[in-house]
Amino acid sequence: ETGVTQTPRHLVMGMTNKKSLKCEQHLGHNAMYWYKQSAKKPLELMFVYNFKEQTENNSVPSRFSPECPNSSHLFLHLHTLQPEDSALYLCASSQAGRGSNEQFFGPGTRLTVL
Amino acid sequence: QQQVKQSPQSLIVQKGGISIINCAYENTAFDYFPWYQQFPGKGPALLIAIRPDVSEKKEGRFTISFNKSAKQFSLHIMDSQPGDSATYFCAASKGGGADGLTFGKGTHLIIQP
Repeated sequence: ETGVTQTPRHLVMGMTNKKSLKCEQHLGHNAMYWYKQSAKKPLELMFVYNFKEQTENNSVPSRFSPECPNSSHLFLHLHTLQPEDSALYLCASSQAGRGSNEQFFGPGTRLTVL
Repeated sequence: QQQVKQSPQSLIVQKGGISIINCAYENTAFDYFPWYQQFPGKGPALLIAIRPDVSEKKEGRFTISFNKSAKQFSLHIMDSQPGDSATYFCAASKGGGADGLTFGKGTHLIIQP
């Protein structure tokens, strides 16, 4: 595996379900990010992790719960979501401290909430 | 409040022509300005990026022009090809650390053969 991988690629869930999205980066980076991409809206930053520590939560509802067990893996735990949470969820990684903020994205998980 | 404004929303260019997409930002703390290309079913891919200490950066057929005083930057695609048809996003952030990117709304570019 190379780059940033995300699983599953597609997910359909009911509003009462609990599911998790997984992201893994194979680039040796130390920072990871979750973004949400909805139709007709800009990509929205959700969470930032730097060396496994959460450094930013962009006012995300508590029904989204991130977890970063190490600098290579990032999870997004989902529970009691709403239909408006249907979107493409993108994970990215970067090497913080290099003087640039070059972020590499995974292919995303297409989430549909029924 | 949209911190990065991108235009146009959609653009049709003939093969061989020049595609130009513009962005404007508000936060003067931003000092890293990348452009991303996204194909359907794929994640955004970094195309080219610029820091405000230079006014222009060129990589192959892609050029970023940067105007710090106007807080604007643009992407020029020279000799546009059908394979360039994609959605393009400008973004901005503080550079160097683990900082989230603030994205524009995107431009859907179609290159007609």
